[in-house]
Amino acid sequence: GAGVSQSPSNKVTEKGKDVELRCDPISGHTALYWYRQSLGQGLEFLIYFQGNSAPDKSGLPSDRFSAERTGGSVSTLTIQRTQQEDSAVYLCASRRRGREGGYGYTFGSGTRLTVV
Amino acid sequence: AQKITQTQPGMFVQEKEAVTLDCTYDTSDPSYGLFWYKQPSSGEMIFLIYQGSYDQQNATEGRYSLNFQKARKSANLVISASQLGDSAMYFCAMRESYTGTASKLTFGTGTRLQVTL
Repeated sequence: GAGVSQSPSNKVTEKGKDVELRCDPISGHTALYWYRQSLGQGLEFLIYFQGNSAPDKSGLPSDRFSAERTGGSVSTLTIQRTQQEDSAVYLCASRRRGREGGYGYTFGSGTRLTVV
Repeated sequence: AQKITQTQPGMFVQEKEAVTLDCTYDTSDPSYGLFWYKQPSSGEMIFLIYQGSYDQQNATEGRYSLNFQKARKSANLVISASQLGDSAMYFCAMRESYTGTASKLTFGTGTRLQVTL
């Protein structure tokens, strides 16, 4: 597609349930990043993929959070046993290898997760 | 330590006036990039302007310019001739490498800009 696609755009879930958030990057973009933005806050880095491997998972807040990427394309962020503090907008960004300068990073529109 | 610091949680500017949003950064990497993004209430992240650490000239993109003071480690965004549509959150971000784990963007906490009549 033309841009980074994230689904669902909105998700309301009950505390304790598992959720899966999907990111479909721009075709050919080898780098993929997940960020979390809590209400009124900046973007907090979660995890970085290069191809299918995740060399930097340093931002994942707990072992309830995991992510995978398959075929060097779609990525899924999974949150197990959701808590109310997981409520946030989850943003995905992708970048083509070797694409320098400011135009390289493209963000999706995000998934707004609400845990009730 | 904070890598990106934005000290202005909120700013007001009158329409048609210029406004400067402050950003300071901290890195020991000689090769880095600095970004400004706009986030309107709709939530999308809109890329505004980029400055590479080796760029000799300050970046400009239309009404946006970046006042890059390398020795002071500051990268302030200047918006000229403010418009009502400029009302949004503005984030400064840094990339410390083009490749690998340092290619991730680190964001500041943002400045909420309100443009008034």
